[in-house]
Amino acid sequence: DSGVTQTPKHLITATGQRVTLRCSPRSGDLSVYWYQQSLDQGLQFLIQYYNGEERAKGNILERFSAQQFPDLHSELNLSSLELGDSALYFCASSAPGLAYEQYFGPGTRLTVT
Amino acid sequence: AQSVAQPEDQVNVAEGNPLTVKCTYSVSGNPYLFWYVQYPNRGLQFLLKYITGDNLVKGSYGFEAEFNKSQTSFHLKKPSALVSDSALYFCAVRDDRGSGNTGKLIFGQGTTLQVKP
Repeated sequence: DSGVTQTPKHLITATGQRVTLRCSPRSGDLSVYWYQQSLDQGLQFLIQYYNGEERAKGNILERFSAQQFPDLHSELNLSSLELGDSALYFCASSAPGLAYEQYFGPGTRLTVT
Repeated sequence: AQSVAQPEDQVNVAEGNPLTVKCTYSVSGNPYLFWYVQYPNRGLQFLLKYITGDNLVKGSYGFEAEFNKSQTSFHLKKPSALVSDSALYFCAVRDDRGSGNTGKLIFGQGTTLQVKP
């Protein structure tokens, strides 16, 4: 158990809908990262938050957004969903500093039908 | 650009034999390198990392990795493979460009390790 929790585990929704994925980082970790894992794109970085502020953005679509709340949990919002958004979405957290490893949650499997 | 390559989609070894999963990297500064393992329907588990110091890094579950600066490689090794080691392995490099405390991971495409009894 990495200490990072994600809900829900599975999500099935229709095209055009909006969903929210939730992540709670390990106790004490200020950084939260979101990644997308798909068969064709592999593991791709989406966005990072550090202590409530956005710190880095990857190839995140404009239809996607995220935030980190004062209690440090984070939410990833995906809207106007398309079939191609079906993927595993992982949240990770780490201690401050580049030398620290990231710990991953179990992921949310999103299926868009 | 920072990048990582895992040249083998799959590695097959017999139980008890040594295993190697290959990784090469390209970075503009100091490499911060990581190995993760992913079991089916699970998240990624951290195995080991190279930040600085000894070129041979020891990690979880008997795994180790050898950092080679001249060959820009960071191969994952284990002296004696177990069937339970069968999983998907990812090499990753930390992207340290940008402001402090950024550090997204850039992953290789993954290597499936199959250990046969």
